[in-house]
Amino acid sequence: DTGVSQDPRHKITKRGQNVTFRCDPISEHNRLYWYRQTLGQGPEFLTYFQNEAQLEKSRLLSDRFSAERPKGSFSTLEIQRTEQGDSAMYLCASSLGDRKEAFFGQGTRLTVV
Amino acid sequence: QKEVEQDPGPLSVPEGAIVSLNCTYSNSAFQYFMWYRQYSRKGPELLMYTYSSGNKEDGRFTAQVDKSSKYISLFIRDSQPSDSATYLCAMHSGGGADGLTFGKGTHLIIQP
Repeated sequence: DTGVSQDPRHKITKRGQNVTFRCDPISEHNRLYWYRQTLGQGPEFLTYFQNEAQLEKSRLLSDRFSAERPKGSFSTLEIQRTEQGDSAMYLCASSLGDRKEAFFGQGTRLTVV
Repeated sequence: QKEVEQDPGPLSVPEGAIVSLNCTYSNSAFQYFMWYRQYSRKGPELLMYTYSSGNKEDGRFTAQVDKSSKYISLFIRDSQPSDSATYLCAMHSGGGADGLTFGKGTHLIIQP
């Protein structure tokens, strides 16, 4: 499968715990995006990498959230001290060069109890 | 007012009908327009991509962009039950490093 891969697909965690998600983009894609989607809403942009550089963060990305893309390949998104409001689908997408169309993974569904 | 408005539906049509899905937007800087299909509990799948105004056709799908009216459409011909999904419009201005701006999505149901 050469699409965007996300792991885990589902995560249930207790409030206050830290969680980390992984995204493997399409191999030749240099751009990687993280989005968050809640029920009945479209995806909302969180942050963006071009190769290993994190170029933009949305105001939605509080200081409890951190993302890395250490070698310009896979990326991780960590949420510290999770809150019930963090419950959502976290989507990763990648794109090639300057092209604007992005290809999404299947997402990680986070439930904070 | 949100930047991108999309009727959430549900929109229910019989199999074989022509489906029309629409979005309006307020940011005149948007130049790139996309439609994604999303099945329940899955990630969005890119269906159509257009730049600026005009039409683009791919199989049963046609995307239209009218920048003067800030209005985009997706038409689905010969609709099938497998087309039942949520359809998301997405846009980008082309500048900067930010991501796509999405509508809420329209939930489409094709009745067999």
